[in-house]
Amino acid sequence: SAVISQKPSRDICQRGTSLTIQCQVDSQVTMMFWYRQQPGQSLTLIATANQGSEATYESGFVIDKFPISRPNLTFSTLTVSNMSPEDSSIYLCSVEKGETYNEQFFGPGTRLTVL
Amino acid sequence: QKEVEQNSGPLSVPEGAIASLNCTYSDRGSQSFFWYRQYSGKSPELIMFIYSNGDKEDGRFTAQLNKASQYVSLLIRDSQPSDSATYLCAVNSFIIKAAGNKLTFGGGTRVLVKP
Repeated sequence: SAVISQKPSRDICQRGTSLTIQCQVDSQVTMMFWYRQQPGQSLTLIATANQGSEATYESGFVIDKFPISRPNLTFSTLTVSNMSPEDSSIYLCSVEKGETYNEQFFGPGTRLTVL
Repeated sequence: QKEVEQNSGPLSVPEGAIASLNCTYSDRGSQSFFWYRQYSGKSPELIMFIYSNGDKEDGRFTAQLNKASQYVSLLIRDSQPSDSATYLCAVNSFIIKAAGNKLTFGGGTRVLVKP
C-alpha cells in the first residue's frame, strides 16, 4: 500500500474564498487522483493528475474551479476556488501503488464546510 | 455512461453469519474490480480486488466475479461487529497501470452486524 497524508484534515471556509488541499505520498507514484464525496454519497472522480502534464478533468469539473498542481512524484494540490456551500464535501486524494496492477489507495480526506 | 449499482442497504446480519454483497456494472469492457470498506468518517480502505472470473479468497473475505453476467460480489464470513461499515464496489477498464486508468464507484452498501 502507500502512506498518504492530506492537509488540512478539515476546514470551515467562507463563501467566495479558496482553499488549497495538499496530498503527500511516502514514495514516488505516477498517477494521483482527486475525488469528492458529498454527504451520504459515493465517490466522484474530479481529475487525474500525472506529474509533468496537465491534469485530466472529468465531466462536470473544470480547471478554473478546481486547479490542480503536480510538481513532483510525491505531491499534489487541489484548490477549490470561489467556494459556495455546494462545495461542502470530503475531498480525497488517491494513488496507484504497486508494480503492475492498478489498485488505488486513499488518503485520509479533507472535510470542507463552506458557510 | 458507465454505471455501477449496489443495494444501499442497510444489510443487517447477525454476528457470525455470512454477509453477501452484490454489485452490477454496465460496461462490458470493465477489467478489474475492487471492494473498499469505509467506516463512518474515514476514507475508503481497499480490502479486495479481482480481475479473473471465479472466486478469490482473502481471510474472511471472498470476492466473486462473473463477467458474462456483469456482476461482482463480496462475501464476509463469520461477520463481526467490526465489519459494520459501508462497502464500496469500484470498477476499472484496465488491469495494469495505464494512462486513462480510473475507478467508477457504486453507491455503496451499508452493512450492520448485530451482536
